[in-house]
Amino acid sequence: KQEVTQIPAALSVPEGENLVLNCSFTDSAIYNLQWFRQDPGKGLTSLLLIQSSQREQTSGRLNASLDKSSGRSTLYIAASQPGDSATYLCAVRNAGNQFYFGTGTSLTVIP
Amino acid sequence: EAQVTQNPRYLITVTGKKLTVTCSQNMNHEYMSWYRQDPGLGLRQIYYSMNVEVTDKGDVPEGYKVSRKEKRNFPLILESPSPNQTSLYFCASMRGYEQYFGPGTRLTVT
Repeated sequence: KQEVTQIPAALSVPEGENLVLNCSFTDSAIYNLQWFRQDPGKGLTSLLLIQSSQREQTSGRLNASLDKSSGRSTLYIAASQPGDSATYLCAVRNAGNQFYFGTGTSLTVIP
Repeated sequence: EAQVTQNPRYLITVTGKKLTVTCSQNMNHEYMSWYRQDPGLGLRQIYYSMNVEVTDKGDVPEGYKVSRKEKRNFPLILESPSPNQTSLYFCASMRGYEQYFGPGTRLTVT
């Protein structure tokens, strides 16, 4: 069974700092990996999706990388802002159309 | 506006009283799914549906039922809720590769 782990569980950084969030998964036979943002009391918003054949995806200040063979993905956030404060979740999709989520990293960006 | 809606948003009920949480999407997506989110456990998939009349178990299907009679609706049914089903529930639909989530339903079973 696929297991997804996110480290660290919580992170607090000063505004303007660059940061990296980590996601690891146990079964490398994935279809794709997706990063989400969750704000308190709200649903999930998709940030970036990486297909299994891709190595990275970029959107604005966000860059996600995928190393399928080692079972790892990172989400890089450049020049962090207070508005980036949220919980970040990664999810992997297997070929059977099931999704497995990590427990998330709670990010606080201090003004 | 393209969206996934869930009702109710909040529900407090008692053990054993059957309930249904509705989920509807207006994007004509074929894939829909239900998740529960619990502290320390993250989101776990309950059931998913690839299309009308096609449903499959996710990681934690015990105690839940679903049906998919129309493409836009995917209700989650708890026939005899128990306190361990107290959780935050999310419905999602998918176009292509990306999932779109509803706002969540917070269920408390006493």
